[in-house]
Amino acid sequence: DVKVTQSSRYLVKRTGEKVFLECVQDMDHENMFWYRQDPGLGLRLIYFSYDVKMKEKGDIPEGYSVSREKKERFSLILESASTNQTSMYLCASSSTQKQWTGAGDTQYFGPGTRLTVL
Amino acid sequence: EDQVTQSPEALRLQEGESSSLNCSYTVSGLRGLFWYRQDPGKGPEFLFTLYSAGEEKEKERLKATLTKKESFLHITAPKPEDSATYLCAVQAYLNYGGSQGNLIFGKGTKLSVKP
Repeated sequence: DVKVTQSSRYLVKRTGEKVFLECVQDMDHENMFWYRQDPGLGLRLIYFSYDVKMKEKGDIPEGYSVSREKKERFSLILESASTNQTSMYLCASSSTQKQWTGAGDTQYFGPGTRLTVL
Repeated sequence: EDQVTQSPEALRLQEGESSSLNCSYTVSGLRGLFWYRQDPGKGPEFLFTLYSAGEEKEKERLKATLTKKESFLHITAPKPEDSATYLCAVQAYLNYGGSQGNLIFGKGTKLSVKP
């Protein structure tokens, strides 16, 4: 079974703090993703990575950074937490299938981290 | 622009009352359409992947179908434990633009099944 784990289920931080969210997958997937999920807005992509030390901005990267030093680990960093970053954060991973196979890249999600910034 | 629209936003059913959830999509080249189930406070759980129009997949009381414009998730004789939010997502082919590996998600349908 694919397993994606996240470092914390619940986290409470103060405005201005630096926050680290960690994600680890055990399926040797090349691709890893960070999303946030808010009521009425759905899942929004923050950053993603297709290989070690590579990263690309998603739809809402402002206020966030990421790090991928090892293939199995993808970290999301809130440089200076703000109250509008209170949200559910979800990590996902996938393996890139060859396009000619017609197979899409299924993403597998972790359990999520509910972050509250006071 | 690639997009995914799910309807209805919320659906209330009585136990045993079959129904369908809709996922309409616009994408230049469909590489895959994905269905997920999400329980409150948890991460989405993968259900199905569909690749080509006419394809169908089943799992217990759930059956997913795909046409060139939409997908349906049919729920037959639902039980209270089927209550969850169901998410639909699409992935486009690289040649048609969009980022490699990225999924475009709909906002989900919240299903409630009453005993």
